[in-house]
Amino acid sequence: DQQVKQNSPSLSVQEGRISILNCDYTNSMFDYFLWYKKYPAEGPTFLISISSIKDKNEDGRFTVFLNKSAKHLSLHIVPSQPGDSAVYFCAASPPPMYSGGGADGLTFGKGTHLIIQP
Amino acid sequence: DAGVTQSPTHLIKTRGQHVTLRCSPISGHKSVSWYQQVLGQGPQFIFQYYEKEERGRGNFPDRFSARQFPNYSSELNVNALLLGDSALYLCASSFQGNYGYTFGSGTRLTVV
Repeated sequence: DQQVKQNSPSLSVQEGRISILNCDYTNSMFDYFLWYKKYPAEGPTFLISISSIKDKNEDGRFTVFLNKSAKHLSLHIVPSQPGDSAVYFCAASPPPMYSGGGADGLTFGKGTHLIIQP
Repeated sequence: DAGVTQSPTHLIKTRGQHVTLRCSPISGHKSVSWYQQVLGQGPQFIFQYYEKEERGRGNFPDRFSARQFPNYSSELNVNALLLGDSALYLCASSFQGNYGYTFGSGTRLTVV
């Protein structure tokens, strides 16, 4: 049973427009959410995160919105640039069980392949 | 500064063999986690270590094991390899737990 779902395998957006990537989760224990970007032959790179006590977090062109009641988060990229073409993963974490870290690791979605068209 | 380094980058093994994958975390990071990414899926959590102790284990069989050394580097071992173990194995380090992960580029394992 997938606890983190990214229902769009791919998304094509014109350069300069807004890209919106969506993510849904089912586990109410998740309290911290992250977005990663991945290029082929590289590991995932951290983009932005949000704690469950917030509903919005911004970092430059990237904004993450969290709707806890709907168990939904989204990543907005404005304006989209050609270098943004990559696979984007949504990930979620429960609260840590230990001072040194959680017991369950991150739960990832399957990813959305974002293609920025020139 | 060196990032998370993993070795080897690629390897090919035969069914039934054993494999050891290695990871060196970012200097100062005490937590190392391992993930398996099968083609078309997101990374799946295997293990998390902190200060040389196992702090978490995902839903993987006992053929998978890991350890963390005093210098915080880590090894992932997989015994009795199956074709389904073919995947990208990612190591991530952080100062603490699930926050602030930095991933390595991974080891691409192919089992034939």
